[in-house]
Amino acid sequence: DIQMTQSPSSLSASVGDRVTITCRASQSISSYLNWYQQKAGKAPKLLIYAASSLQSGVPSRFSGSGSGTDFTLTISSLQPEDFATYYCQQSYSTLTWTFGQGTKVEIK
Amino acid sequence: QITLKESGPTLVKPTQTLTLTCTFSGFSLSTSGVGVGWIRQPPGKALEWLAIIYWNDDKRYSPSLKSRLTITKDTSKDQVVLTMTNMDPVDTATYYCAHYSLVRSCFDYWGQGTLVTVSS
Repeated sequence: DIQMTQSPSSLSASVGDRVTITCRASQSISSYLNWYQQKAGKAPKLLIYAASSLQSGVPSRFSGSGSGTDFTLTISSLQPEDFATYYCQQSYSTLTWTFGQGTKVEIK
Repeated sequence: QITLKESGPTLVKPTQTLTLTCTFSGFSLSTSGVGVGWIRQPPGKALEWLAIIYWNDDKRYSPSLKSRLTITKDTSKDQVVLTMTNMDPVDTATYYCAHYSLVRSCFDYWGQGTLVTVSS
């Protein structure tokens, strides 16, 4: 199975900060990497697919980059509504889909 | 507008079989390139993919749970059903169904989730 490791597990940041979350795959997954946002008590929401494509309706302050094994999600200017948990997910393997363990973004 | 909604029991006893139904609208599971998957999340923990079924009835299961899972579809009812046998308290989780786009390789629409508690 392909393992996905996110870092950090949690972070504290202030409104307006630039935030970067990293996701590393245990083997190359090309650009088959998606990012989801999950707010407390809610279902996950797709933010980024194919490593860097912004899902329709998602603010442009969210961006994704990377390929192979190393990927990043960047929030250019953190907004109050961005405090949530973020998950990466690989879709390279068509036999299994795996998520990272999540990164919780909290208010500093 | 694509929507999905999970339904099923909120409480099951250990060793029982769980049956969850995902009822969706806004797409057809007979359309090429479409799938519906199930993902669960134990309280306070990460997301775990369970199973997926495609428009062509191709199915995939999590290797660790494969022996306990069955996924089926009823295209006429716009429903996908997941059964999980031999439930255990560690299976307590919120269970989500989600629309899968093969072209974009992502779960792009999710249901609200349903919390299933396993307890005697």
